[in-house]
Amino acid sequence: DVVMTQSPLSLPVTLGQPASISCRSSQSLVFSDGNTYLHWFHQRPGQSPRRLIYRVSYRDSGVPDRFSGSGSGTDFTLRISRVEAEDVGIYYCMQGTHWFYTFGQGTKLEIK
Amino acid sequence: ELQLVESGGGVVQPGGSLRLSCAASGFAFSNDWVHWVRQAPGEGLVWVARISTDGSFTSYADSVKGRFTISRDNAKNTLYLQMNSLRVDDTAMYYCAFFGAQWLDSTWGQGTLVTVS
Repeated sequence: DVVMTQSPLSLPVTLGQPASISCRSSQSLVFSDGNTYLHWFHQRPGQSPRRLIYRVSYRDSGVPDRFSGSGSGTDFTLRISRVEAEDVGIYYCMQGTHWFYTFGQGTKLEIK
Repeated sequence: ELQLVESGGGVVQPGGSLRLSCAASGFAFSNDWVHWVRQAPGEGLVWVARISTDGSFTSYADSVKGRFTISRDNAKNTLYLQMNSLRVDDTAMYYCAFFGAQWLDSTWGQGTLVTVS
């Protein structure tokens, strides 16, 4: 199975400041069709996960443009340009390239 | 509006069985692969199973292989998860989800809680 490793696992951030989460995969996430199926999800307590970014860098509908994704191969990053209160929760990267699909351990973002 | 609504969760003893359902609306259900993902209390997300558009192809996590069966009824726009020989470590919130072709979409249900105790 592809292991997804996130860092940091805990991310205290001051409101209005930027934040960054790293995600590394144990093997390349480039699929045979040339696409890279690396996605980012956000989950608030008691809620279902919501996808923010798909295929490395594309924002899902309704996602604020302060969220951005980048990376390639095995190394990926989610960035929040200016953290707002509603951004608290757990962020997961997830690979959909190789079955068995796998998530990272999650990064808990909290406001300092 | 795309919507997935799970049902069928509850409390069951170890060794027991449950059947989860996921009713889909607002999209062409029969055109998409659909999935079950679970989350144990306080833990992360783990894929459970997936099923192809016509139900002819299924895949499972090793931890549930041989015990769980994913199926679908496209005429009823419904996804199922038959869970047998349940174990304490199967306790989790179970979500159904679909992602569309090339992962262009992402829709999750609200989840249904399974407690094995």
